[in-house]
Amino acid sequence: DQQVKQNSPSLSVQEGRISILNCDYTNSMFDYFLWYKKYPAEGPTFLISISSIKDKNEDGRFTVFLNKSAKHLSLHIVPSQPGDSAVYFCAASVSSGGSNYKLTFGKGTLLTVNP
Amino acid sequence: DTGVSQDPRHKITKRGQNVTFRCDPISEHNRLYWYRQTLGQGPEFLTYFQNEAQLEKSRLLSDRFSAERPKGSFSTLEIQRTEQGDSAMYLCASRLDFAYNEQFFGPGTRLTVL
Repeated sequence: DQQVKQNSPSLSVQEGRISILNCDYTNSMFDYFLWYKKYPAEGPTFLISISSIKDKNEDGRFTVFLNKSAKHLSLHIVPSQPGDSAVYFCAASVSSGGSNYKLTFGKGTLLTVNP
Repeated sequence: DTGVSQDPRHKITKRGQNVTFRCDPISEHNRLYWYRQTLGQGPEFLTYFQNEAQLEKSRLLSDRFSAERPKGSFSTLEIQRTEQGDSAMYLCASRLDFAYNEQFFGPGTRLTVL
């Protein structure tokens, strides 16, 4: 059973436009969410995170929104650049109660930013 | 470079052979994780160490798999009697022992079992 779902396997946008990547989760215990970016033959690179006490976190061109009632989060990239082309993974963890903070990942969304 | 390192980057082996991978975490990180990623999937949790203690193992980690972290520094993941289904990218990650802290991943070891 997939606890973290990224329902769009791929997304294509034009350079300069907004990229919106979506993620849904089913486990109500998750309270810390992260986005990672991955290039082929490399390990995932951390982008941005959000805890469940917030509904928005911004870092430069990247903003993550969390809707706890809908169990949904999204990553916005504005403006999109060709170098943003990569696979983006949504991940979730439990941070309370002596947690080990292991990450549960979605299957990823391949973002292609066209010049 | 002070990131997470993994060795080897690539390993090709024949079915039935044993293989061992090494992970060197960021030096001050006391928590270390192993994940496995197969084609079209996200990384899946395998096991977790806090210092030298292995505190959790996924059901994905069959008895052919063993992991160690002697002295709480580097870690090794050994797969005995490899099977073709073991072919995957094996990722190591480490993090500091604070809440709301991200995990830093190494480049991974790509295992191909022929």
